[in-house]
Amino acid sequence: DSGVTQTPKHLITATGQRVTLRCSPRSGDLSVYWYQQSLDQGLQFLIQYYNGEERAKGNILERFSAQQFPDLHSELNLSSLELGDSALYFCASSVGGRSYNEQFFGPGTRLTVL
Amino acid sequence: AQKVTQAQTEISVVEKEDVTLDCVYETRDTTYYLFWYKQPPSGELVFLIRRNSFDEQNEISGRYSWNFQKSTSSFNFTITASQVVDSAVYFCALSEAASNTGKLIFGQGTTLQVKP
Repeated sequence: DSGVTQTPKHLITATGQRVTLRCSPRSGDLSVYWYQQSLDQGLQFLIQYYNGEERAKGNILERFSAQQFPDLHSELNLSSLELGDSALYFCASSVGGRSYNEQFFGPGTRLTVL
Repeated sequence: AQKVTQAQTEISVVEKEDVTLDCVYETRDTTYYLFWYKQPPSGELVFLIRRNSFDEQNEISGRYSWNFQKSTSSFNFTITASQVVDSAVYFCALSEAASNTGKLIFGQGTTLQVKP
């Protein structure tokens, strides 16, 4: 158990809908990351937050947004969902937000868009 | 541009065999970090190791060992005397100091199947 929690574990929804994925980092970690894992794209970095501020943005669609709250938990919002958004979404956390910080991953949220 | 290549898509071995998973990376940064993660069938990504670009010493942890060679831009992972529990997808990843972020660039992963 990495100490990173994600809810829900599974999510099934329809095209055009909006969902929110939630992540709680390990105790003491200030940085949160979101990654998407799909069969065709592999593991892709979406976005990073550090202590409430956005630190880096990757291949995140405009339909997706995220934030990190004062208690350091994070939410990833996915809207106008398409079939291609079906994937496993991971949250990770690290103590700092630098390149040398080890990231610890949560169990993931499996999103299925029908 | 930064890139991580794991050319072996799938490897199948019989228990107790040694197996090496290859990882080749590309980066223009002089300071970078390399990682290996394991994704067992349960799906969670498990951190295995981090290596700094300025430390080329090989590392051994139990049955696991890592060979970092800057000259060939490779960071290979060897499992000695493999076990069925080693069956998983293994990912190599890169982060660059110049990015000033923790962004990880992952390879496509190598699926390792260890048969009893």
